[in-house]
Amino acid sequence: KAGVTQTPRYLIKTRGQQVTLSCSPISGHRSVSWYQQTPGQGLQFLFEYFSETQRNKGNFPGRFSGRQFSNSRSEMNVSTLELGDSALYLCASSPAYGGEKLFFGSGTQLSVL
Amino acid sequence: EDQVTQSPEALRLQEGESSSLNCSYTVSGLRGLFWYRQDPGKGPEFLFTLYSAGEEKEKERLKATLTKKESFLHITAPKPEDSATYLCAVLEGAQKLVFGQGTRLTINP
Repeated sequence: KAGVTQTPRYLIKTRGQQVTLSCSPISGHRSVSWYQQTPGQGLQFLFEYFSETQRNKGNFPGRFSGRQFSNSRSEMNVSTLELGDSALYLCASSPAYGGEKLFFGSGTQLSVL
Repeated sequence: EDQVTQSPEALRLQEGESSSLNCSYTVSGLRGLFWYRQDPGKGPEFLFTLYSAGEEKEKERLKATLTKKESFLHITAPKPEDSATYLCAVLEGAQKLVFGQGTRLTINP
């Protein structure tokens, strides 16, 4: 069974640009969560989607948005990039909605110059 | 908001030298405490979930325990391949994990 797939693996952008990251969950998983990981702040929750609906959102500015498609694939968008957005963005999936363990992808490493 | 504090930040052991990692948490009502392992360049890998004080779970050289205020990850006779960052997290709401900063474990041969 294939794991969680995130693309691209690495991304370099400049300040002010926007970026879209993609996540394909494990087949059959309907919940997709996004996390930002930085050396200073560690892993921080961005948002979670279940059946195309955002169920929970972390404390990030509105520049961070996401969506989920009918096949459970998810995208995350960051507009007007700032230097502080440089981070590893991790996607995680789980079978349903309710506290099960999360299966993480390897992440997208975003560098903002 | 829930808080999770892990100690130590980094730990260096010799192969075969047993030790414990600590995870202290502050939550209004524990709905689940998770341990993950993260290798460089990879996403976290699930290890254990604990739900109530007194619960214990084991996997190979690792054993996780839970009290009302903290959790311990005991590592017995570690090997170099156990080197990784170990992350502790509590479940807040239905599907949001609040992570600690992690403990970076290095096992020297």
